[in-house]
Amino acid sequence: IAGITQAPTSQILAAGRRMTLRCTQDMRHNAMYWYRQDLGLGLRLIHYSNTAGTTGKGEVPDGYSVSRANTDDFPLTLASAVPSQTSVYFCASSDSKTGANVLTFGAGSRLTVL
Amino acid sequence: GQNIDQPTEMTATEGAIVQINCTYQTSGFNGLFWYQQHAGEAPTFLSYNVLDGLEEKGRFSSFLSRSKGYSYLLLKELQMKDSASYLCAVRDSNYQLIWGAGTKLIIKP
Repeated sequence: IAGITQAPTSQILAAGRRMTLRCTQDMRHNAMYWYRQDLGLGLRLIHYSNTAGTTGKGEVPDGYSVSRANTDDFPLTLASAVPSQTSVYFCASSDSKTGANVLTFGAGSRLTVL
Repeated sequence: GQNIDQPTEMTATEGAIVQINCTYQTSGFNGLFWYQQHAGEAPTFLSYNVLDGLEEKGRFSSFLSRSKGYSYLLLKELQMKDSASYLCAVRDSNYQLIWGAGTKLIIKP
C-alpha cells in the first residue's frame, strides 16, 4: 500500500536519551517534512528536505537533526531529549513539482520525554 | 507575524450544514488548504484554493477570498464520521505552509 510509514508508533524515553524517529515513503515524492503537533497549536515544521541529499530548517529546528540519504527515508533524531519535546510527530511527503504540492502524512509517532 | 485564525470548536447536528471559517495574515499567498484530522490519526487532504471562489467536492466545498484573507469550509449533510478536526493552512511567499490550530467539529445525532 502506497504511503508513509513511521516508527515507532509511540515511545516513552528518559530525558537526555538519544532517539531516532524513522520515516519511509514509497511514493517517490521528492520533498519530505517533519512536523510536531501540540495541543492548541498548529502543526509546526521542524525540518524539511526538497530532494535527496539536501535538508533545511523549519520553524522549530533546535534539538533536532535530519538526514536524507535517499529519496525514501527521512529520519528525525533527537540528540538529547528534553521534556519540551514531548509531542506527536508527523512525517509528510509531497511531489513539490506539482501545482498544489499536497502533503501526504504518516500516522504519527507519539513521543513522551520524562 | 503570520497568523491563521479558526474557531477552536464547533458543534452541529447530523444531517445539517456547518461552515468553518479561516482568516489569515501571511507574507504573501500561494494557496490555501483544508485538511481533515480524526482523533489520533494523520491529517488528510480535503481541498485546495488558489483563486477566489468556491471549489465543490461532493459534500464538501471550500471558498476563498484573497482580498479579505478569508476562507471557509462548508460541510453539507453532516454524518457522524465527519466528527474530526479541520485544519486550515496557507502557503506563504516562501512556499512554506502556515497552519491554523484546527477546528474540532462535534456532530450530535
